[in-house]
Amino acid sequence: DAGVTQSPTHLIKTRGQQVTLRCSPISGHKSVSWYQQVLGQGPQFIFQYYEKEERGRGNFPDRFSARQFPNYSSELNVNALLLGDSALYLCASSALTGLEANQPQHFGDGTRLSIL
Amino acid sequence: SQELEQSPQSLIVQEGKNLTINCTSSKTLYGLYWYKQKYGEGLIFLMMLQKGGEEKSHEKITAKLDEKKQQSSLHITASQPSHAGIYLCGAYFSGAGSYQLTFGKGTKLSVIP
Repeated sequence: DAGVTQSPTHLIKTRGQQVTLRCSPISGHKSVSWYQQVLGQGPQFIFQYYEKEERGRGNFPDRFSARQFPNYSSELNVNALLLGDSALYLCASSALTGLEANQPQHFGDGTRLSIL
Repeated sequence: SQELEQSPQSLIVQEGKNLTINCTSSKTLYGLYWYKQKYGEGLIFLMMLQKGGEEKSHEKITAKLDEKKQQSSLHITASQPSHAGIYLCGAYFSGAGSYQLTFGKGTKLSVIP
């Protein structure tokens, strides 16, 4: 079975531009989360979506937005890019079915975003 | 302050040696997850611990959860070069909302042949 897939793998943008990152969850997983990981740090939570609804948002500015589609794939959009947005963006999916938090999140290989 | 503190930050061991990585929480734990990451790649799920005293093993890696101490340890027996990478602990905290994982900064493990 395919794992979590993300595209593109690498991206180079300039300040002020906009970017869209894509994620396909493991088949059957309805929960998708996005994380940002800067060099030397652990991943930091950005968004979680479950059944196409936003269920959580981390401490990120409104320039960051996301959505989940009927097939449970997801997009992360970042507007007005800043140098500090350079990072590895990770998508994770989970078999969460309700309020329980006893399912692991499975991560994709990430999108490496570089801002010039 | 960091909610999950990992120690040590980095570790260099000779192949065949045992090692332990610790993860200490400043809040009550409701589940502790261990992941491994190769540089610049995604996270590979290793183990999930949910109950105090729980211990799980996968191949030569064993993880334990001490709920009272709000701490987890990851132990590797007879390390191999394939164990090299960054080990991350992650946890769900009550009141954080949704199912966001909070991660430690990671422990970088190097294994010298």
